[in-house]
Formats: sequence, structure tokens, C-alpha cells
Amino acid sequence: EDQVTQSPEALRLQEGESSSLNCSYTVSGLRGLFWYRQDPGKGPEFLFTLYSAGEEKEKERLKATLTKKESFLHITAPKPEDSATYLCAVQVSGGSYIPTFGRGTSLIVHP
Amino acid sequence: DVKVTQSSRYLVKRTGEKVFLECVQDMDHENMFWYRQDPGLGLRLIYFSYDVKMKEKGDIPEGYSVSREKKERFSLILESASTNQTSMYLCASSLISGGANTEAFFGQGTRLTVV
Repeated sequence: EDQVTQSPEALRLQEGESSSLNCSYTVSGLRGLFWYRQDPGKGPEFLFTLYSAGEEKEKERLKATLTKKESFLHITAPKPEDSATYLCAVQVSGGSYIPTFGRGTSLIVHP
Repeated sequence: DVKVTQSSRYLVKRTGEKVFLECVQDMDHENMFWYRQDPGLGLRLIYFSYDVKMKEKGDIPEGYSVSREKKERFSLILESASTNQTSMYLCASSLISGGANTEAFFGQGTRLTVV
């Protein structure tokens, strides 16, 4: 069974304190890994797609990386507006169009 | 920009009512999804549709049904609402490209309360 585990469940940072969120996966064959940001009371918003080990994508203070077993979302010098829940999801090869989501990491950045 | 629109942000319904949640996407996406999201449980898939009139059960289909008569519209129906269906409901759509699913675009969510 395909599994996606995100850690930590919750993370509190001071403004400017860099850190990383983890998404580990156990799947039969990875077709793509997605990162989303979700603000309270809203739907998730797409951030990145990663397809192969070694790939990296960046957007402002966020950088996503991928290995064969996990992905990291690195947050450099975070600001309070980066506070949100970050979700990852994997798409497996083999014909299913249903992604498997992790439960998310809730990030709070204090000023 | 892709837009996924859910018909209501907030709904309050009575136990036993039949409830319709509507979702419309404007980018001709093949795939559409209905999820519910509860604290500590993450996103749970209720139903998935990959084409008009086609549907697949997700992880928690009991008590729900869906309808997809047109490509852009995917409806979730609560046959007889119960208090344990109080939740945030999220609709999403995605494109099929190269035989694989691309990123999902989500609606703003419907916060349903069943009293």
C-alpha cells in the first residue's frame, strides 16, 4: 500500500529561523511528488511538482528537493506570512490518477 | 488561471436532509475529486471522477454519492445528512498529461455543519 508520511506534525519557528519539513513516501513507483500550501479555512494551493531524484525547485523562501525515499521543503529565513499547513502528495505510476496525500505539517512563524 | 468554484463557503443543514455540494472547474480538466478534511485526519478522498459519468469510490464513500453529467461540473450528494458528516469539503480538479495526473487545483472549500 502506498504511504506518505509528513514530519513533524507541527513546527514553530521564530522569524528568520530556517528549517525543513519532511515528506517520506513508500510507493511502488513514483510518477510525481507535489507540495501544497493551505491557509486556515481555505483550499490547498499548489507550490511545486518534483519528478525525479535530485530535482530541486525554488520559489521565494521555499525550496523543494527530492530523493528516492523522501522530499524536503526547506524554508529559508521564514516570515510570519509563511505560516500555513504544508501538504505533500505523491502520484504513482501504473495508471491510477488518484494522488496519495500526507497529513501535513502545520507551520507557525512567530514575529 | 485555473478556477475551481464551490457553490457555498458555509452551509448549515439538518439531520436527515439531502444535501448537494456543487463544484465547477473552468479548465477542461478530466479528473475531479471530492475530499473531506477533518482535524488530525488530513484529506480523505470520498469520490473521484476521470470522465463524464465515470466515478470511482475513494476511501470513505459511505453516505455519499456523486454526479458528473458535464465535464466541468462534479456534484457531491449527501443522501441523508448526519452529524458525523460535519466537515470541510474540498473539490479539486487536475489534468491528465503524458498518461499521468498533474497537480490538483482546489476550490475554496465548503464548511458544512449538520445539526
